[in-house]
Amino acid sequence: DARVTQTPRDKVTEMGQEVTMRCQPILGHNTVFWYRQTMMQGLELLAYFRNRAPLDDSGMPKDRFSAEMPDATLATLKIQPSEPRDSAVYFCASGLVRETGSAADTQYFGPGTRLTVL
Amino acid sequence: AQSVTQPDIHITVSEGASLELRCNYSYGATPYLFWYVQSPGQGLQLLLKYFSGDTLVQGIKGFEAEFKRSQSSFNLRKPSVHWSDAAEYFCAVGVREYGNKLVFGAGTILRVKS
Repeated sequence: DARVTQTPRDKVTEMGQEVTMRCQPILGHNTVFWYRQTMMQGLELLAYFRNRAPLDDSGMPKDRFSAEMPDATLATLKIQPSEPRDSAVYFCASGLVRETGSAADTQYFGPGTRLTVL
Repeated sequence: AQSVTQPDIHITVSEGASLELRCNYSYGATPYLFWYVQSPGQGLQLLLKYFSGDTLVQGIKGFEAEFKRSQSSFNLRKPSVHWSDAAEYFCAVGVREYGNKLVFGAGTILRVKS
């Protein structure tokens, strides 16, 4: 049963520290999304990649957030420096988007990383 | 801009009763619509999706949803709720122009009373 995995599951850190979250998409998927979930904003897209290339990161605060895909099996989301307002659950999702680019292709979500910045 | 509205923040139903969760969307093109469920501390699991064809879509766990273009709605239904259905439910629209990103509603928390 193929799944998206995320590490760590929980992270507590102090303001100003660097945080790195990792995601392993489902093997064979070519699209990776990073979402953030907060009580105030709900679920919002931060960034997404297709075939490891970043397509849109407009939802991400550029000054402190960065997202990369070093290879097809790993996506990372980094926050440096972290702030209390970054406290949230960060979800990674992966999917297989065909050449036709149908939005109906399903995104499979990982269990999330719960980040708490003190 | 694309948006999804779930007007009910909380819903409480009795076990065995029927359920309907409302979802309205705003999207300029043919919508691709999804319902996801999130149990506490868990990720999101896809219940069902609509992209074309029959407007009544069957999903997992006995759920179904009906797409009504005239009402811009995609309501989720279940004829008989089980205690294990207690969770948060999210409606989403897929935005094809932006790489298929999902725009989510605020979610509806379902409580099931025995």
